[in-house]
Amino acid sequence: QKEVEQNSGPLSVPEGAIASLNCTYSDRVSQSFFWYRQYSGKSPELIMSIYSNGDKEDGRFTAQLNKASQYVSLLIRDSQPSDSATYLCAAPSSGGGSNYKLTFGKGTLLTVNP
Amino acid sequence: NAGVMQNPRHLVRRRGQEARLRCSPMKGHSHVYWYRQLPEEGLKFMVYLQKENIIDESGMPKERFSAEFPKEGPSILRIQQVVRGDSAAYFCASSPGAGTEAFFGQGTRLTVV
Repeated sequence: QKEVEQNSGPLSVPEGAIASLNCTYSDRVSQSFFWYRQYSGKSPELIMSIYSNGDKEDGRFTAQLNKASQYVSLLIRDSQPSDSATYLCAAPSSGGGSNYKLTFGKGTLLTVNP
Repeated sequence: NAGVMQNPRHLVRRRGQEARLRCSPMKGHSHVYWYRQLPEEGLKFMVYLQKENIIDESGMPKERFSAEFPKEGPSILRIQQVVRGDSAAYFCASSPGAGTEAFFGQGTRLTVV
């Protein structure tokens, strides 16, 4: 069973701090990784994609990928109360052929305290 | 460029009725995923489809649930003889290719009374 694992949290950080969200995956074939943000009662929103080892920065968000360790993380700098949401890690898991169903972790609930 | 469109947004059905959920993918996207989410829980994969083909339905209950993505028109998730346990948010996502970025619709909240 190909899986994506996340710490369920909740993770609580003060406003202005760095929030660090972690994810591990079991399918070594996975080549792309995605972070989604989901506000309560809303649908998931894609915020970062990463395909290569190393860091990828987009504004206050940095995704880090280490394929050897099968580990991907998301850092949120200068956290704001509006960042309070559940963050979902996702990776395509290979079932053979053209089957790359997108598998999600259970999500980490982040609360940023003013 | 319109995003992923799901309808209806809210659906109420009595036990034993049928529920039909529709999903129109983003323009140019030929891959569709359906997920179910219970309150305070994660996204549970149900089915992955490409045009006219079911690629992976390992998350679909064996009975009462079916999905299709015809050559023309939206993808349909069909739940026959609904029960209270089917009450959940059902999300559809689409992507342009296998293993690529997927974008979600706003979901259909199904309530079975």
